[in-house]
Amino acid sequence: GAVVSQHPSRVICKSGTSVKIECRSLDFQATTMFWYRQFPKQSLMLMATSNEGSKATYEQGVEKDKFLINHASLTLSTLTVTSAHPEDSSFYICSARGPGNTQYFGPGTRLTVL
Amino acid sequence: GESVGLHLPTLSVQEGDNSIINCAYSNSASDYFIWYKQESGKGPQFIIDIRSNMDKRQGQRVTVLLNKTVKHLSLQIAATQPGDSAVYFCAETSSGNTGKLIFGQGTTLQVKP
Repeated sequence: GAVVSQHPSRVICKSGTSVKIECRSLDFQATTMFWYRQFPKQSLMLMATSNEGSKATYEQGVEKDKFLINHASLTLSTLTVTSAHPEDSSFYICSARGPGNTQYFGPGTRLTVL
Repeated sequence: GESVGLHLPTLSVQEGDNSIINCAYSNSASDYFIWYKQESGKGPQFIIDIRSNMDKRQGQRVTVLLNKTVKHLSLQIAATQPGDSAVYFCAETSSGNTGKLIFGQGTTLQVKP
């Protein structure tokens, strides 16, 4: 149980386009989800906390207008990278707070911006 | 504490040996700690956790030790296997922190056959 999925697993886009990444909790409801970014050979950096039915809380230095987060239901949060540029290329990982308040992580989405 | 973006240190061990991976945390208020395993191109996978009211917790082939005095956490893997090769991260959080996890730097574990 407690499975989190992400879609797509990999995406390549042109500079200036927007990309939407979905995070779903498959067998539990999650009022809180988290979005992380991970550069190669580095640790996970928390970008924002996504709360169902309310605005996301962004970490310092993360542009909320560039990384749009929507948590419209108890099983889905989306991250939209707007006007993507090559420096946005990264591995984006979501997690959902599930049973026992444990965070369950998705498999990640590899974004490459050309 | 907050990851500072350094390249990951590497621990190389022989198959069958025990591995010890260390982590220093920075927030004295943290009261819950988790070890994650991350294989290449995948999301982190929960290994074991420990609360601050404990010093030691054992799982299957893994043991986590917590030393709050020096803010140090370690993960011991017994009889390391090739399938244990991955990057290992510690993460910390506090009860009053809305569940936000702060990840440590990470350590790459390489198991030699």
